[in-house]
Amino acid sequence: QVLLQESGPGLVKPSGTLSLTCSVSGDSMTGHYWNWIRQPPGKGLEWIGSIYYSGSTVYNPSLNSRLTISIDTSKAQFSLNLTSVTAADTAVYYCARRAYGDYPFDSWGQGTLVTVSS
Amino acid sequence: EIVLTQSPDTLSLSPGERATLFCTSSQIFSNKYLAWYQQRPGQAPRLLMYSASIRASGIPDRFSGSGSGTDFTLTVSRLEPEDFAVYYCQQYSTSPRYIFGQGTRLEIK
Repeated sequence: QVLLQESGPGLVKPSGTLSLTCSVSGDSMTGHYWNWIRQPPGKGLEWIGSIYYSGSTVYNPSLNSRLTISIDTSKAQFSLNLTSVTAADTAVYYCARRAYGDYPFDSWGQGTLVTVSS
Repeated sequence: EIVLTQSPDTLSLSPGERATLFCTSSQIFSNKYLAWYQQRPGQAPRLLMYSASIRASGIPDRFSGSGSGTDFTLTVSRLEPEDFAVYYCQQYSTSPRYIFGQGTRLEIK
């Protein structure tokens, strides 16, 4: 059973960079897409972007200019960097797994709240 | 861009009752690419159904899904206390954007 765990600062200053890491255990990263999804407090879900185990990325066009997702399969981790953050980026950030091809998100981390505030 | 609209926003029912949740798409797409998730308070979403009607691993058979084209349905045949949660539909074939509905809150009446 795969387990995903998000980690990173819970508070980021406006105009700063939001950086999170997702650690994967219980299964290989090979053959899967690894995703970031966020949920503003009291609101719905927004897919941020994904990275294949080989390193190729796909980003939500609305965040593309501020977003970088990277992967380190040797450490079984993938990471999110979101620059120039504002209060609108305050959310619970989830990492999630998706199988290669057109499949849904079958495993999720527990999520981590990131607040953008001075 | 596809928009998924869920209805109702809130559904108030009692344990033991049947729940029917709807997800309507602004464009036709294959039911192969429709999923439902359950999110209990303070928890991450959990995959319930995929390809519109296939239950994910470990999901009880009181959950069922159906639909095609633009209209999809999630049914819970007999509500258990742990089923009261928020449910999201999702369309997962439109990379580079995977679309979620706004959610339906299923609350205890």
